[in-house]
Amino acid sequence: EDKVVQSPLSLVVHEGDTVTLNCSYEVTNFRSLLWYKQEKKAPTFLFMLTSSGIEKKSGRLSSILDKKELFSILNITATQTGDSAIYLCAGRYNNNDMRFGAGTRLTVKP
Amino acid sequence: DAGITQSPRHKVTETGTPVTLRCHQTENHRYMYWYRQDPGHGLRLIHYSYGVKDTDKGEVSDGYSVSRSKTEDFLLTLESATSSQTSVYFCAITSQYNQPQHFGDGTRLSIL
Repeated sequence: EDKVVQSPLSLVVHEGDTVTLNCSYEVTNFRSLLWYKQEKKAPTFLFMLTSSGIEKKSGRLSSILDKKELFSILNITATQTGDSAIYLCAGRYNNNDMRFGAGTRLTVKP
Repeated sequence: DAGITQSPRHKVTETGTPVTLRCHQTENHRYMYWYRQDPGHGLRLIHYSYGVKDTDKGEVSDGYSVSRSKTEDFLLTLESATSSQTSVYFCAITSQYNQPQHFGDGTRLSIL
């Protein structure tokens, strides 16, 4: 069965810390892996990864995919309270199906 | 914002009643999706559409039907709501199936 597993399920850090969120996947016909950030409402898109070993970066956030070991990580450096959210990863397989993990709830304390 | 409006934003109804949720987009995107989000399960795909009158089932389609008569509107119907369908429902759109999906703000549905 196709599935996506995120770890940890929740994480509490202090401002300035660096965090690493993990996402492992088992999807047939894998196409890409996506990361989203969800605060109070809609998940907002962060990264889409299709190739192994190529880091995607946006400000303090970065992500990389390992297609051999079937996992991805999302790094956040110098965390801020505004980074507090649920981070979702999803494996896209076939053309129109995305399988989401349960999410990692990140809390950044001042 | 990606130009997606979901309505209603909140709804409380009783078991056995029909419920229709609406997703309206102003982006003229071809692909539209309905997901439900429940604690411990993340987002799960209910149905999706790849064009007007073209729809297909997702992972958790039982008890739901959809319709798309216009590019901009995608309707999700619960013919006879059950308490297990209490959830937050999200609509998503994308212009190409291999591009990121963008989400609406969700509809919180409670079935008593």
